[in-house]
Amino acid sequence: SAVISQKPSRDICQRGTSLTIQCQVDSQVTMMFWYRQQPGQSLTLIATANQGSEATYESGFVIDKFPISRPNLTFSTLTVSNMSPEDSSIYLCSVGVTASYEQYFGPGTRLTVT
Amino acid sequence: AQTVTQSQPEMSVQEAETVTLSCTYDTSENNYYLFWYKQPPSRQMILVIRQEAYKQQNATENRFSVNFQKAAKSFSLKISDSQLGDTAMYFCAFMKDTGNQFYFGTGTSLTVIP
Repeated sequence: SAVISQKPSRDICQRGTSLTIQCQVDSQVTMMFWYRQQPGQSLTLIATANQGSEATYESGFVIDKFPISRPNLTFSTLTVSNMSPEDSSIYLCSVGVTASYEQYFGPGTRLTVT
Repeated sequence: AQTVTQSQPEMSVQEAETVTLSCTYDTSENNYYLFWYKQPPSRQMILVIRQEAYKQQNATENRFSVNFQKAAKSFSLKISDSQLGDTAMYFCAFMKDTGNQFYFGTGTSLTVIP
Protein backbone atom coordinates (compact mmCIF):
# COMPACT_ATOMS: atom_id res chain seq x y z
CA SER A 1 0.00 0.00 0.00
CA ALA A 2 0.95 3.67 -0.11
CA VAL A 3 0.25 6.60 2.17
CA ILE A 4 -0.82 9.69 0.28
CA SER A 5 -1.26 13.21 1.58
CA GLN A 6 -2.81 16.20 -0.12
CA LYS A 7 -2.56 19.90 0.56
CA PRO A 8 -4.67 21.85 1.10
CA SER A 9 -7.46 19.69 2.51
CA ARG A 10 -9.97 22.38 1.59
CA ASP A 11 -10.05 25.89 0.25
CA ILE A 12 -12.49 28.60 -0.71
CA CYS A 13 -11.37 30.60 -3.70
CA GLN A 14 -12.67 33.50 -5.71
CA ARG A 15 -13.71 33.26 -9.30
CA GLY A 16 -10.88 33.88 -11.74
CA THR A 17 -8.08 32.82 -9.43
CA SER A 18 -5.98 29.65 -9.51
CA LEU A 19 -5.25 27.01 -6.90
CA THR A 20 -2.44 24.47 -6.84
CA ILE A 21 -3.07 21.19 -5.08
CA GLN A 22 -0.14 19.12 -3.90
CA CYS A 23 0.01 15.34 -3.67
CA GLN A 24 2.78 13.59 -1.75
CA VAL A 25 3.36 9.83 -1.60
CA ASP A 26 5.47 8.00 0.97
CA SER A 27 7.10 5.77 -1.65
CA GLN A 28 8.23 6.02 -5.24
CA VAL A 29 5.50 5.30 -7.74
CA THR A 30 5.42 5.43 -11.50
CA MET A 31 1.82 6.35 -12.12
CA MET A 32 -0.16 9.06 -10.43
CA PHE A 33 -3.68 10.11 -11.28
CA TRP A 34 -5.87 13.12 -10.66
CA TYR A 35 -9.63 12.77 -10.29
CA ARG A 36 -12.51 15.16 -9.84
CA GLN A 37 -15.54 14.26 -7.79
CA GLN A 38 -18.38 16.72 -8.10
CA PRO A 39 -20.90 16.88 -5.25
CA GLY A 40 -22.77 13.61 -4.93
CA GLN A 41 -21.15 12.20 -8.05
CA SER A 42 -18.67 9.52 -8.96
CA LEU A 43 -15.00 10.03 -9.73
CA THR A 44 -13.93 11.31 -13.12
CA LEU A 45 -10.34 10.95 -14.24
CA ILE A 46 -8.75 14.27 -15.18
CA ALA A 47 -5.30 13.08 -16.20
CA THR A 48 -2.55 10.56 -15.71
CA ALA A 49 0.78 11.98 -14.55
CA ASN A 50 3.88 9.90 -15.21
CA GLN A 51 7.24 11.12 -14.08
CA GLY A 52 9.43 12.26 -16.94
CA SER A 53 6.66 12.72 -19.47
CA GLU A 54 3.77 15.01 -20.23
CA ALA A 55 0.53 14.32 -18.44
CA THR A 56 -2.15 12.55 -20.44
CA TYR A 57 -5.53 14.29 -20.24
CA GLU A 58 -8.94 12.70 -20.58
CA SER A 59 -11.60 13.99 -22.89
CA GLY A 60 -13.07 17.21 -21.58
CA PHE A 61 -9.97 18.26 -19.65
CA VAL A 62 -7.22 20.46 -21.07
CA ILE A 63 -3.76 21.37 -19.94
CA ASP A 64 -4.42 25.11 -19.93
CA LYS A 65 -7.18 24.64 -17.37
CA PHE A 66 -5.58 21.85 -15.33
CA PRO A 67 -1.79 22.02 -15.64
CA ILE A 68 -0.02 19.17 -13.89
CA SER A 69 3.54 18.81 -12.71
CA ARG A 70 5.33 15.59 -11.81
CA PRO A 71 8.88 16.54 -10.84
CA ASN A 72 9.77 13.23 -9.18
CA LEU A 73 8.43 9.81 -8.26
CA THR A 74 6.81 10.90 -4.99
CA PHE A 75 5.18 14.23 -5.78
CA SER A 76 2.71 15.85 -8.16
CA THR A 77 0.69 19.04 -8.35
CA LEU A 78 -2.58 19.88 -10.06
CA THR A 79 -3.48 23.50 -10.71
CA VAL A 80 -7.05 24.55 -11.27
CA SER A 81 -6.77 27.73 -13.34
CA ASN A 82 -9.11 30.64 -13.86
CA MET A 83 -11.64 29.06 -11.56
CA SER A 84 -15.40 29.32 -11.87
CA PRO A 85 -18.13 28.02 -9.53
CA GLU A 86 -18.43 24.95 -11.78
CA ASP A 87 -14.96 23.91 -10.62
CA SER A 88 -16.26 23.43 -7.08
CA SER A 89 -15.47 19.77 -6.43
CA ILE A 90 -13.34 17.37 -4.51
CA TYR A 91 -10.03 16.73 -6.23
CA LEU A 92 -8.29 13.47 -5.44
CA CYS A 93 -4.93 12.12 -6.39
CA SER A 94 -4.19 8.43 -6.52
CA VAL A 95 -1.22 6.20 -7.23
CA GLY A 96 -1.14 2.99 -9.18
CA VAL A 97 0.62 -0.05 -7.77
CA THR A 98 1.71 -2.05 -10.79
CA ALA A 99 2.28 -5.32 -8.95
CA SER A 100 -1.24 -5.51 -7.54
CA TYR A 101 -3.13 -3.40 -10.10
CA GLU A 102 -4.60 -1.42 -7.24
CA GLN A 103 -4.94 2.29 -6.78
CA TYR A 104 -4.59 4.12 -3.49
CA PHE A 105 -6.19 7.48 -2.96
CA GLY A 106 -5.32 10.61 -1.11
CA PRO A 107 -7.84 12.21 1.26
CA GLY A 108 -8.93 14.74 -1.33
CA THR A 109 -9.06 18.51 -1.54
CA ARG A 110 -12.46 20.12 -1.24
CA LEU A 111 -12.55 23.23 -3.41
CA THR A 112 -15.31 25.81 -3.28
CA VAL A 113 -15.31 28.62 -5.81
CA THR A 114 -17.37 31.70 -5.01
CA ALA B 1 -15.35 2.01 -24.04
CA GLN B 2 -15.87 0.56 -20.61
CA THR B 3 -18.92 1.41 -18.54
CA VAL B 4 -19.75 0.50 -14.97
CA THR B 5 -23.32 0.60 -13.70
CA GLN B 6 -24.54 0.60 -10.13
CA SER B 7 -28.32 0.50 -10.20
CA GLN B 8 -28.89 1.10 -6.49
CA PRO B 9 -28.28 4.75 -5.56
CA GLU B 10 -29.18 4.15 -1.92
CA MET B 11 -29.51 1.14 0.34
CA SER B 12 -29.94 0.53 4.02
CA VAL B 13 -29.40 -2.50 6.24
CA GLN B 14 -29.93 -3.31 9.87
CA GLU B 15 -26.82 -3.74 11.96
CA ALA B 16 -25.59 -7.37 11.95
CA GLU B 17 -27.60 -8.20 8.83
CA THR B 18 -26.29 -8.98 5.35
CA VAL B 19 -26.58 -6.69 2.34
CA THR B 20 -25.63 -7.10 -1.32
CA LEU B 21 -24.64 -4.22 -3.58
CA SER B 22 -24.96 -4.70 -7.31
CA CYS B 23 -22.57 -3.76 -10.08
CA THR B 24 -22.59 -4.57 -13.77
CA TYR B 25 -20.08 -3.56 -16.39
CA ASP B 26 -19.64 -3.58 -20.10
CA THR B 27 -16.38 -4.42 -21.79
CA SER B 28 -14.96 -6.29 -24.74
CA GLU B 29 -11.81 -7.11 -22.81
CA ASN B 30 -11.10 -10.64 -21.64
CA ASN B 31 -8.58 -9.79 -18.94
CA TYR B 32 -9.34 -7.07 -16.43
CA TYR B 33 -9.67 -6.26 -12.76
CA LEU B 34 -12.66 -5.28 -10.68
CA PHE B 35 -12.68 -3.41 -7.41
CA TRP B 36 -14.99 -2.20 -4.71
CA TYR B 37 -14.02 1.01 -2.96
CA LYS B 38 -15.59 2.51 0.12
CA GLN B 39 -15.82 6.26 0.69
CA PRO B 40 -17.00 7.17 4.19
CA PRO B 41 -18.05 10.73 5.08
CA SER B 42 -14.39 11.52 5.70
CA ARG B 43 -14.15 11.10 1.87
CA GLN B 44 -11.02 8.91 2.02
CA MET B 45 -11.35 6.24 -0.66
CA ILE B 46 -10.54 2.83 0.79
CA LEU B 47 -10.05 -0.34 -1.21
CA VAL B 48 -12.44 -3.02 0.04
CA ILE B 49 -11.83 -5.93 -2.28
CA ARG B 50 -10.32 -6.84 -5.64
CA GLN B 51 -11.12 -9.53 -8.21
CA GLU B 52 -9.05 -10.65 -11.17
CA ALA B 53 -11.21 -11.63 -14.15
CA TYR B 54 -9.09 -14.68 -14.93
CA LYS B 55 -9.81 -16.15 -11.49
CA GLN B 56 -13.01 -18.11 -11.15
CA GLN B 57 -12.90 -18.12 -7.39
CA ASN B 58 -14.74 -15.24 -5.78
CA ALA B 59 -12.60 -12.93 -3.67
CA THR B 60 -13.22 -12.70 0.06
CA GLU B 61 -11.91 -10.27 2.66
CA ASN B 62 -13.26 -10.97 6.14
CA ARG B 63 -16.92 -9.83 6.12
CA PHE B 64 -16.73 -8.73 2.47
CA SER B 65 -17.14 -11.10 -0.44
CA VAL B 66 -18.00 -10.79 -4.10
CA ASN B 67 -20.14 -12.74 -6.51
CA PHE B 68 -18.30 -12.46 -9.81
CA GLN B 69 -20.23 -13.67 -12.85
CA LYS B 70 -17.97 -13.07 -15.83
CA ALA B 71 -20.41 -14.18 -18.52
CA ALA B 72 -23.10 -11.93 -17.08
CA LYS B 73 -20.57 -9.13 -16.47
CA SER B 74 -21.78 -8.83 -12.91
CA PHE B 75 -19.74 -8.08 -9.81
CA SER B 76 -21.79 -7.76 -6.63
CA LEU B 77 -20.48 -7.06 -3.14
CA LYS B 78 -21.86 -8.86 -0.11
CA ILE B 79 -21.33 -7.40 3.32
CA SER B 80 -22.03 -9.81 6.15
CA ASP B 81 -22.66 -8.89 9.78
CA SER B 82 -23.01 -5.22 8.85
CA GLN B 83 -21.47 -2.72 11.22
CA LEU B 84 -22.15 0.96 11.77
CA GLY B 85 -18.72 1.73 10.36
CA ASP B 86 -19.78 0.24 7.05
CA THR B 87 -21.93 3.29 6.43
CA ALA B 88 -20.38 4.88 3.35
CA MET B 89 -20.61 5.37 -0.37
CA TYR B 90 -19.48 2.27 -2.23
CA PHE B 91 -18.02 2.49 -5.71
CA CYS B 92 -17.51 -0.36 -8.13
CA ALA B 93 -14.52 0.10 -10.46
CA PHE B 94 -13.11 -1.59 -13.56
CA MET B 95 -9.59 -1.59 -14.91
CA LYS B 96 -8.18 -3.18 -18.03
CA ASP B 97 -5.06 -5.22 -17.47
CA THR B 98 -3.32 -3.25 -20.23
CA GLY B 99 -3.46 0.05 -18.37
CA ASN B 100 -4.09 1.72 -15.06
CA GLN B 101 -7.16 3.76 -15.88
CA PHE B 102 -10.07 3.09 -13.56
CA TYR B 103 -13.68 3.38 -14.61
CA PHE B 104 -15.98 4.04 -11.69
CA GLY B 105 -19.67 3.41 -11.23
CA THR B 106 -21.96 6.10 -9.89
CA GLY B 107 -21.89 4.68 -6.38
CA THR B 108 -24.30 3.22 -3.84
CA SER B 109 -24.88 5.02 -0.59
CA LEU B 110 -25.18 2.44 2.17
CA THR B 111 -26.57 3.25 5.59
CA VAL B 112 -26.29 0.77 8.44
CA ILE B 113 -29.13 1.26 10.87
CA PRO B 114 -28.49 0.52 14.56
